[in-house]
Amino acid sequence: EDQVTQSPEALRLQEGESSSLNCSYTVSGLRGLFWYRQDPGKGPEFLFTLYSAGEEKEKERLKATLTKKESFLHITAPKPEDSATYLCAVQTDSWGKLQFGAGTQVVVTP
Amino acid sequence: DAGVIQSPRHEVTEMGQEVTLRCKPISGHDYLFWYRQTMMRGLELLIYFNNNVPIDDSGMPEDRFSAKMPNASFSTLKIQPSEPRDSAVYFCASRAPPGDTGELFFGEGSRLTVL
Repeated sequence: EDQVTQSPEALRLQEGESSSLNCSYTVSGLRGLFWYRQDPGKGPEFLFTLYSAGEEKEKERLKATLTKKESFLHITAPKPEDSATYLCAVQTDSWGKLQFGAGTQVVVTP
Repeated sequence: DAGVIQSPRHEVTEMGQEVTLRCKPISGHDYLFWYRQTMMRGLELLIYFNNNVPIDDSGMPEDRFSAKMPNASFSTLKIQPSEPRDSAVYFCASRAPPGDTGELFFGEGSRLTVL
């Protein structure tokens, strides 16, 4: 059975304090690994897709990396507006359905 | 682009009542997904469509749940009769062709409370 596990469950950071979120996966065939951001009361908002081990993508203070077993979302010098729940998801079929992890809730304080 | 549009945003109903949630996908997207989010179980896939045809409904929890997509711009998720354990946020998402990968675009969700 495919599994997606995110850690930690929650992370509290001071503004400017860099950190990393982990997404480990056990799947039968990875077609893509996705990172989303979700703000309270909103739907998930797409951040990145990674397709193969060694791939990296960046957007502002966020950088996502992928290995054969896990993905990391690095937050560099975070700001309070980076506070959100970060979700990772895997796609293993050709239809595009995503299986999500439980998420990491990030709080950045000034 | 208006994005994925869901209605109602909030619904409070009593146990046993019928609930209908609505979704308008992004124009040109031919994949549509219904997810449910709870604190205990996170985001769960309920059902998805391609070109208005249901592909996989194995995530639908019970026969009380049904979903339709009568045309490319409209889908409904119906719960009849509703139960308190159905309380959750229900999300609709759509994806653009072509290819077999690509991000899902989510709506703002419909928060359902069954008393």
